[in-house]
Amino acid sequence: GQSLEQPSEVTAVEGAIVQINCTYQTSGFYGLSWYQQHDGGAPTFLSYNALDGLEETGRFSSFLSRSDSYGYLLLQELQMKDSASYFCAVPGGGNKLTFGTGTQLKVEL
Amino acid sequence: DADVTQTPRNRITKTGKRIMLECSQTKGHDRMYWYRQDPGLGLRLIYYSFDVKDINKGEISDGYSVSRQAQAKFSLSLESAIPNQTALYFCATSDSKGLSTQYFGPGTRLLVL
Repeated sequence: GQSLEQPSEVTAVEGAIVQINCTYQTSGFYGLSWYQQHDGGAPTFLSYNALDGLEETGRFSSFLSRSDSYGYLLLQELQMKDSASYFCAVPGGGNKLTFGTGTQLKVEL
Repeated sequence: DADVTQTPRNRITKTGKRIMLECSQTKGHDRMYWYRQDPGLGLRLIYYSFDVKDINKGEISDGYSVSRQAQAKFSLSLESAIPNQTALYFCATSDSKGLSTQYFGPGTRLLVL
């Protein structure tokens, strides 16, 4: 089976940097994905790490350490619009995704 | 126009009623998925389909059935709705190459009384 753990909630101020952690247990590992979901909206794909290291896409970066079964999403220069839930997910066979329970990020002034 | 659409967007029904949620996509993807989302539980996979003739159960398929009418259409049915099926339901698609990238519809909010 597969399971993922994330903090339920993180709060940060506008302009700051925040890190959302994810630890996972999987049988067979294909990589770690991150999705963003605004309240009432659909999840949208942010990033994917198949290999160890840091992937950067604008203000967002994602890191993976396969030996530690651990990854994180790093958000820089936080903006109010970044307030959302963030889910880590591991793909399984056939592009099936197992999602973590999500981290609600609150960005304050 | 949205690439993945779901109808209805909101639905209220009574216990025991049959209900169908529909999903259509214009992305040309082979693979389609149905998830439900409950507060604090993330998204859980109900059913998925790799092509028109392929249907597979996900982790929580009991009480649900699906139909893949065409490459672009994937419907989810609740044969006899019960209150604990009250949830937000999402359809998603992916191609056979994108191992991790799924594209989600806007969701259907279902309330079973």
